[in-house]
Amino acid sequence: GEDVEQSLFLSVREGDSSVINCTYTDSSSTYLYWYKQEPGAGLQLLTYIFSNMDMKQDQRLTVLLNKKDKHLSLRIADTQTGDSAIYFCAESGGGTSYGKLTFGQGTILTVHP
Amino acid sequence: NAGVTQTPKFQVLKTGQSMTLQCAQDMNHEYMSWYRQDPGMGLRLIHYSVGAGITDQGEVPNGYNVSRSTTEDFPLRLLSAAPSQTSVYFCASSRGTVTDTQYFGPGTRLTVL
Repeated sequence: GEDVEQSLFLSVREGDSSVINCTYTDSSSTYLYWYKQEPGAGLQLLTYIFSNMDMKQDQRLTVLLNKKDKHLSLRIADTQTGDSAIYFCAESGGGTSYGKLTFGQGTILTVHP
Repeated sequence: NAGVTQTPKFQVLKTGQSMTLQCAQDMNHEYMSWYRQDPGMGLRLIHYSVGAGITDQGEVPNGYNVSRSTTEDFPLRLLSAAPSQTSVYFCASSRGTVTDTQYFGPGTRLTVL
């Protein structure tokens, strides 16, 4: 079955860039997502990328996709303390499986002042 | 719009008890799903529905039942709770198009003693 892997922890200093990495195994993955979860809250979609794209930029967020290596990354520029949260990578296939997300374990990002 | 709402926010059950977790959305979304979140394991899909009257199993369906009698509501039933079902449960909905995104509810934290 599909598998999505992330490193569990990342600690950065305020103002630095954060890079969160994710690998996936399903070569038919069509859509890849990054979600943010703040303490005690549900998941909030940050951004997504289609598998036919290499990069997507959205304000402070940059998503890079290496489809050959099945590697996805999320870069947060000028990281702030409010960015401290758990970040989940998720993938879904196309067609009838588009809504069935497979999540990674989540990366806990801690931003130090 | 209230978005996706879940009740209750917290629940404690004894082994063998039954209960229903409620989920409702007011966005006229066709697609709804239930996930459970366990530490270090990300979110795993329990059941999903692509429209009223249509449900299907996800990755971890055992011990859970669902029904979808209306577009708005998608309750999750635990018929005989077990300690292994202690988790945080999230409901999500989307319009169901391939370019759409899923919106998550705030979650229900369930403890089974």
